[in-house]
Amino acid sequence: AQSVTQLDSHVSVSEGTPVLLRCNYSSSYSPSLFWYVQHPNKGLQLLLKYTSAATLVKGINGFEAEFKKSETSFHLTKPSAHMSDAAEYFCVVSGVTGTASKLTFGTGTRLQVTL
Amino acid sequence: DTAVSQTPKYLVTQMGNDKSIKCEQNLGHDTMYWYKQDSKKFLKIMFSYNNKELIINETVPNRFSPKSPDKAHLNLHINSLELGDSAVYFCASSQEGTLGKLFFGSGTQLSVL
Repeated sequence: AQSVTQLDSHVSVSEGTPVLLRCNYSSSYSPSLFWYVQHPNKGLQLLLKYTSAATLVKGINGFEAEFKKSETSFHLTKPSAHMSDAAEYFCVVSGVTGTASKLTFGTGTRLQVTL
Repeated sequence: DTAVSQTPKYLVTQMGNDKSIKCEQNLGHDTMYWYKQDSKKFLKIMFSYNNKELIINETVPNRFSPKSPDKAHLNLHINSLELGDSAVYFCASSQEGTLGKLFFGSGTQLSVL
């Protein structure tokens, strides 16, 4: 079975400072990993995905994540936080059932950005 | 144009009632999903349909019944609502071959009183 663990339920940063949201995964084979973002009262949006190509993955809005097999990690980073980055972030691992993607979500990290 | 739209956005009802949530996607995707998000923001898949055929059916009470009249629509009917059904329900869609790339609706907040 595959799973992801988000190590922080809440992260607070100042605007303009770096963001680090941590995620560890557990999988018996090479996983497909994703980060999704959920802004307040909105649906979820895909930020970026790793599917066994380059280990450093760039996403939207300046976010990137690095797949580290030796550490079983897939941490999300951004060099400089913006107020609009305040949201809930989910680390996700995906399996496949037929043609459907079966997403298993982490418990989420709420990112707060302060002035 | 909204890619994945759900109605209603809010649903407040009494225990024991039957209610439906509708979902439509205009992306031409062939797979649709229902996810449930509880009060702690935890998201879990409930169902998935591909071209009107049920392909994922997680451990969900029989009171929940999805219906897909065509590949652009996936509705969720809930019988005999219980307090524990209160949650936000998200519809999503994806295209075959795009592993993990789901497009989500904005959610339906269900409150059972």
